[in-house]
Amino acid sequence: SQQGEEDPQALSIQEGENATMNCSYKTSINNLQWYRQNSGRGLVHLILIRSNEREKHSGRLRVTLDTSKKSSSLLITASRAADTASYFCVPNQAGTALIFGKGTTLSVSS
Amino acid sequence: SQTIHQWPATLVQPVGSPLSLECTVEGTSNPNLYWYRQAAGRGLQLLFYSVGIGQISSEVPQNLSASRPQDRQFILSSKKLLLSDSGFYLCAWSVRQGGNQPQHFGDGTRLSIL
Repeated sequence: SQQGEEDPQALSIQEGENATMNCSYKTSINNLQWYRQNSGRGLVHLILIRSNEREKHSGRLRVTLDTSKKSSSLLITASRAADTASYFCVPNQAGTALIFGKGTTLSVSS
Repeated sequence: SQTIHQWPATLVQPVGSPLSLECTVEGTSNPNLYWYRQAAGRGLQLLFYSVGIGQISSEVPQNLSASRPQDRQFILSSKKLLLSDSGFYLCAWSVRQGGNQPQHFGDGTRLSIL
């Protein structure tokens, strides 16, 4: 099992701006998942990107995956105050449990 | 649609007291079930996971235990709580087939030990 390393640890932006969070990992993966956690709540699954995919979109979310660099990024376009949360990337190998890191804390101010 | 319920939402317990947190899943069968703990300012720590009734795997040795008496019920217990057991406890489920499937979380239980 391995955990992703999210960067930056904290990010503050204004509403309407784009937010980019990066993730690095160490060994080969089957897929990589991104989750969001609002303060005091459970985690919500956002996107799963497979190792043979390079980019995936879901609404205002865009995830990229570069397996040669062992890295992924999550882009949130036109951020809203409701996007304020912690974001976690979870790289997964076959048959292993998901391991969550410390995440990126995003603050969007209006 | 599938839903996951955790209770209670908050709990304050004295050191040395017992603990029982319950999690149930509706709308799916044979799920994988998980218990996590999140300490203040830290990531999630996987405590236990289960792939079936009575099958529990422990990730971290501690004074907690887990049981799965029914397919969609997962219970986290302790006989004697420690101060270090304080934290935010999250239950999650995923479909069993395929491996590394997305996990779906409950709203958590905030446990404070006095």
